[in-house]
Amino acid sequence: DAMVIQNPRYQVTQFGKPVTLSCSQTLNHNVMYWYQQKSSQAPKLLFHYYDKDFNNEADTPDNFQSRRPNTSFCFLDIRSPGLGDAAMYLCATRAGGNRYEQYFGPGTRLTVT
Amino acid sequence: AQRVTQPEKLLSVFKGAPVELKCNYSYSGSPELFWYVQYSRQRLQLLLRHISRESIKGFTADLNKGETSFHLKKPFAQEEDSAMYYCALSGRKTSYDKVIFGPGTSLSVIP
Repeated sequence: DAMVIQNPRYQVTQFGKPVTLSCSQTLNHNVMYWYQQKSSQAPKLLFHYYDKDFNNEADTPDNFQSRRPNTSFCFLDIRSPGLGDAAMYLCATRAGGNRYEQYFGPGTRLTVT
Repeated sequence: AQRVTQPEKLLSVFKGAPVELKCNYSYSGSPELFWYVQYSRQRLQLLLRHISRESIKGFTADLNKGETSFHLKKPFAQEEDSAMYYCALSGRKTSYDKVIFGPGTSLSVIP
């Protein structure tokens, strides 16, 4: 009954080699988020979609891009990963409207070699 | 600016002892306050939200607007409560879409 699914759970990429992380949801929620979480730190919001409307955080590097081809799927593309991009990447959803709680996926741990 | 602070990075209590995880916020207006929990090797999940006024797994949290606090309390800690706890807020100033997380408190319950 997984509601927010992230694939893969572990991803290893090489320095500078593009990588895509995937998220899907079975909740039919309007809003989808990507967070970066480094060790012992709070999740840091990278961007979110409200339906098809894309909202980028001001401090999200240009190296990070996102796509949401439909309600269920959202992708995080890292064009040229650096060693500093090694982290856990969390996908989350929210129903929208006045439903404020977020539902998180298990995360993808990205290693950059 | 909207901000959430959790003064304790680490908190250790003995099993059966009361536990209080502190959370303070700065927000001009009426925020929505939440506690999220992350157990070892599990996903981040909502524990409770202030508007529900509920008790989840024995935890309660009361919003104190005068002190701008939303401390999480449980009268008798259990070993399974050991986890990372994040206080978070949302509101009109964050467009409700966004949640501002505090830095988190790692709770360790000693058997």
